[in-house]
Amino acid sequence: DAKTTQPNSMESNEEEPVHLPCNHSTISGTDYIHWYRQLPSQGPEYVIHGLTSNVNNRMASLAIAEDRKSSTLILHRATLRDAAVYYCILRALYNTDKLIFGTGTRLQVFP
Amino acid sequence: GAVVSQHPSWVICKSGTSVKIECRSLDFQATTMFWYRQFPKQSLMLMATSNEGSKATYEQGVEKDKFLINHASLTLSTLTVTSAHPEDSSFYICSARDISGRAIDTQYFGPGTRLTVL
Repeated sequence: DAKTTQPNSMESNEEEPVHLPCNHSTISGTDYIHWYRQLPSQGPEYVIHGLTSNVNNRMASLAIAEDRKSSTLILHRATLRDAAVYYCILRALYNTDKLIFGTGTRLQVFP
Repeated sequence: GAVVSQHPSWVICKSGTSVKIECRSLDFQATTMFWYRQFPKQSLMLMATSNEGSKATYEQGVEKDKFLINHASLTLSTLTVTSAHPEDSSFYICSARDISGRAIDTQYFGPGTRLTVL
């Protein structure tokens, strides 16, 4: 699976939007972009995934660049409960199902 | 969403003893489960892939004789840390793959088990 690059940490104030970037310049045509997050002392949880088009769900939005070499996870209104490490992971369709976690972005949310 | 449980949530043991951690998919069947290890302030590291009815596949550098994996049923995988030592102290997390007939599937993670070896 291709590698992703994320900032080590980001900060936000509560109720403000947060844009978490991810670079994946070596992405291949069959790679899906997955986002997971890990709250303190918990296992990761699935956030969202996409291939080419922007995606929305109840947790977040995923904006994918036209060339697919980068993507942005958007939390529309950050809450204190969104403080977590966010992982951007590329996963090839029909791969061996392994998820390889990078270092992720630690998001701090201030009241 | 799908639920994966782990038991115990934390365990403290003496050096040299063995510890078994269970991972269960509660509302779906999982032919494949994964075991990760996470040290403080670090990312998750995949240890092995557990396949129901067959031997686990271990990642490079993970000792298969030390970390025994048994995937006895479609809802249960166990990880046994044999002869645990303080350096095995870590946060162990399992995940299960829910295919549900979809082309792209999602992994669901357990809450983790914190192992402390004295």
